[in-house]
Amino acid sequence: DAGVTQSPTHLIKTRGQQVTLRCSPKSGHDTVSWYQQALGQGPQFIFQYYEEEERQRGNFPDRFSGHQFPNYSSELNVNALLLGDSALYLCASSNQTVTAFFGQGTRLTVV
Amino acid sequence: LAKTTQPISMDSYEGQEVNITCSHNNIATNDYITWYQQFPSQGPRFIIQGYKTKVTNEVASLFIPADRKSSTLSLPRVSLSDTAVYYCLVGGRSGGYNKLIFGAGTRLAVHP
Repeated sequence: DAGVTQSPTHLIKTRGQQVTLRCSPKSGHDTVSWYQQALGQGPQFIFQYYEEEERQRGNFPDRFSGHQFPNYSSELNVNALLLGDSALYLCASSNQTVTAFFGQGTRLTVV
Repeated sequence: LAKTTQPISMDSYEGQEVNITCSHNNIATNDYITWYQQFPSQGPRFIIQGYKTKVTNEVASLFIPADRKSSTLSLPRVSLSDTAVYYCLVGGRSGGYNKLIFGAGTRLAVHP
């Protein structure tokens, strides 16, 4: 049984560009959350998708958007990249319980 | 959402038992307590979760007093590979979704 998988693992983008990160949840999970983790800090909640809708959102600008597909997989899109967007982006999935499982993350570097 | 407070860092030696205590005074009735372990540049790894009393699995134990205002993660006989950041989170699922709020975590350093 595959856990949460994220792609790509590493990514380098230029300021002003747009990026799309992908996440496949653990089998049986229907809820996907995205987190941003800057170096040396704890993960910060971006938003959560359930039933293909954004259910909750953290304190992130509209440049951060997402989508959830009928198969529960999800994408995180970031527009107009800034140097400060460089971070480890984490995807977590869960089902009707409180236990969330995380992927290995996507390391985004903006230059 | 209940806020958690845990020590910023801890040091231990191989073979010792490590106890990390987390304070969550405003825990709600339907909240669970979950601990994650994170190594550099990796996603947090689920360690253990509990609601009350004591929970034990193959890697750790979680002690929760009756008032549930704190919890203690116990790692028996730590090794160098247990050096990591440990996060205590409190939350529940309601309305079909849940949100995990991470604090700064506890940086555990295990020395030879």
